[in-house]
Amino acid sequence: GAVVSQHPSRVICKSGTSVKIECRSLDFQATTMFWYRQFPKQSLMLMATSNEGSKATYEQGVEKDKFLINHASLTLSTLTVTSAHPEDSSFYICSAWDSSTDTQYFGPGTRLTVL
Amino acid sequence: GIQVEQSPPDLILQEGANSTLRCNFSDSVNNLQWFHQNPWGQLINLFYIPSGTKQNGRLSATTVATERYSLLYISSSQTTDSGVYFCAARMDSSYKLIFGSGTRLLVRP
Repeated sequence: GAVVSQHPSRVICKSGTSVKIECRSLDFQATTMFWYRQFPKQSLMLMATSNEGSKATYEQGVEKDKFLINHASLTLSTLTVTSAHPEDSSFYICSAWDSSTDTQYFGPGTRLTVL
Repeated sequence: GIQVEQSPPDLILQEGANSTLRCNFSDSVNNLQWFHQNPWGQLINLFYIPSGTKQNGRLSATTVATERYSLLYISSSQTTDSGVYFCAARMDSSYKLIFGSGTRLLVRP
């Protein structure tokens, strides 16, 4: 199956700093990528949809100024958590949509801890 | 929006047993996927199955779109099958995959 990478896998930062997470589709081009957040023992919640070359679409309740998304190429989307606070600590997962198979493939996730 | 419900929420099996996981969805869908989330958090694609039946080794899945449900069968379970199983569905008019709450499976040796 298709491969999606995510970097870093784990990050610890101080409150008030910004953290950038990268999501790459390694063997296919993805015009659309998605960013999810997962709390312990819960399901995945969609945060935003990232479209190559255009602005991201955010889900209701997600602050677009706090979670900046950039999709500059067909293989890379980035999520920047700005001015992070302890409540932003979570597991963030990206996915890339392979239009040839209409299938979403997921990255391995990034565990963010804000002290 | 679409509602996706999974059952049972938790399941404990003895190694070698069979099981059936269920996913109900509230609207017509054009995409339904089953995933296995391993203990490290990686979501592994199991099936893309908006309708019909597919098999892959010990796993098989059936989606009856007209009745708005999908089933995942695990036969001869192994300890490595442990983890959380999610189904996710996309409505005809949407681009978003909506996840169910998952079934947490523990297979004991």
